[in-house]
Amino acid sequence: GQQLNQSPQSMFIQEGEDVSMNCTSSSIFNTWLWYKQEPGEGPVLLIALYKAGELTSNGRLTAQFGITRKDSFLNISASIPSDVGIYFCAGQLGQGGKLIFGQGTELSVKP
Amino acid sequence: GAVVSQHPSWVICKSGTSVKIECRSLDFQATTMFWYRQFPKQSLMLMATSNEGSKATYEQGVEKDKFLINHASLTLSTLTVTSAHPEDSSFYICSARMSYGSRPEGYTFGSGTRLTVV
Repeated sequence: GQQLNQSPQSMFIQEGEDVSMNCTSSSIFNTWLWYKQEPGEGPVLLIALYKAGELTSNGRLTAQFGITRKDSFLNISASIPSDVGIYFCAGQLGQGGKLIFGQGTELSVKP
Repeated sequence: GAVVSQHPSWVICKSGTSVKIECRSLDFQATTMFWYRQFPKQSLMLMATSNEGSKATYEQGVEKDKFLINHASLTLSTLTVTSAHPEDSSFYICSARMSYGSRPEGYTFGSGTRLTVV
């Protein structure tokens, strides 16, 4: 079945640093998504990408949909303590289809 | 915005008993609901997809007789873990979709249910 490989698994950074994480897949996805999950909560959508090559920002977050449609990255600039959480990429094969999630990147930010 | 309420947020049950988890879309009608399972420090694994008024579609390896899903109305889906065992302890999350073809912004997640079987 389809799998998403997300890296790194965890990051421990200093407040103010920039962060980068990425996802790759052996399959082509029509949509790439980035979610954030906090402890004991469901994931919350951060950014959705619909076109190959698309670069989209949401505040300090920037994500890109790879040209090959098999990868995506998420950057967080000038991290703050409230950025702490687990970030998941997800791919969607077709419109209205199910979401396939990556393994997650756990982010810790030291004040 | 769209809100999905999941209840209970946590439950502890004895081995061999059944537990029901509810997922409600509060301000929209959800034609489809998805149920996920998440182990600590791991990803969300899709268990099943349920469409209102029809039988759920289960992912490979998920026991349909153990994880009973009912989607009797456009605002409510339930997941019942039958004859629960300690290995069923996990975080269960539902997601509701407004209509087929909805963009991912139209997929709203519940806040999850932590099930502990003792």
